[in-house]
Amino acid sequence: GENVEQHPSTLSVQEGDSAVIKCTYSDSASNYFPWYKQELGKRPQLIIDIRSNVGEKKDQRIAVTLNKTAKHFSLHITETQPEDSAVYFCAASGAAVGGNMLTFGGGTRLMVKP
Amino acid sequence: DTEVTQTPKHLVMGMTNKKSLKCEQHMGHRAMYWYKQKAKKPPELMFVYSYEKLSINESVPSRFSPECPNSSLLNLHLHALQPEDSALYLCASSQERRQETQYFGPGTRLLVL
Repeated sequence: GENVEQHPSTLSVQEGDSAVIKCTYSDSASNYFPWYKQELGKRPQLIIDIRSNVGEKKDQRIAVTLNKTAKHFSLHITETQPEDSAVYFCAASGAAVGGNMLTFGGGTRLMVKP
Repeated sequence: DTEVTQTPKHLVMGMTNKKSLKCEQHMGHRAMYWYKQKAKKPPELMFVYSYEKLSINESVPSRFSPECPNSSLLNLHLHALQPEDSALYLCASSQERRQETQYFGPGTRLLVL
């Protein structure tokens, strides 16, 4: 089955700096890569996703890049703000009978210091 | 309506109790999921329903019994749980097609005594 590794496990940045979180996956058949943000006690919320037919996607301060050859993808947050502090999970979706079978990375706790 | 709802928010149960978790969505999604999330860990997939039929069971113990009464509802019946089953149980839904976003509910925080 799919295996997703995520690094770093914790990341502390100063407000206004950029943050980068990296993930690698094992199954070359995976073709959908979402990123979720989970604040303490809250549900995971999708912040951006990328499909295998594109290499980069951007939404305001957030961008994701995908390298299918190397089987890795990254989340980039620019101009970080204290409200960006949360746990971020990457995920990869492989073939499944109905729906998407997401395998999550271990998570990155991002702390943005004011 | 772009929200997945779950009840109850919190549940405390003994090891001999029987309880049920409920999940509802009105987005017309035909795939629904149960995940288990332990503290400081990612969500772990338990079950997937596609068009109201169980399509994936990730080797979950039989003390967890899912049910999909209709396309909007998903239940998780709990019986004879163990303290290590204490966790946040998340429901999610998506369009049945691949590469579609999964939307999560707020979860039920379960404590087994």
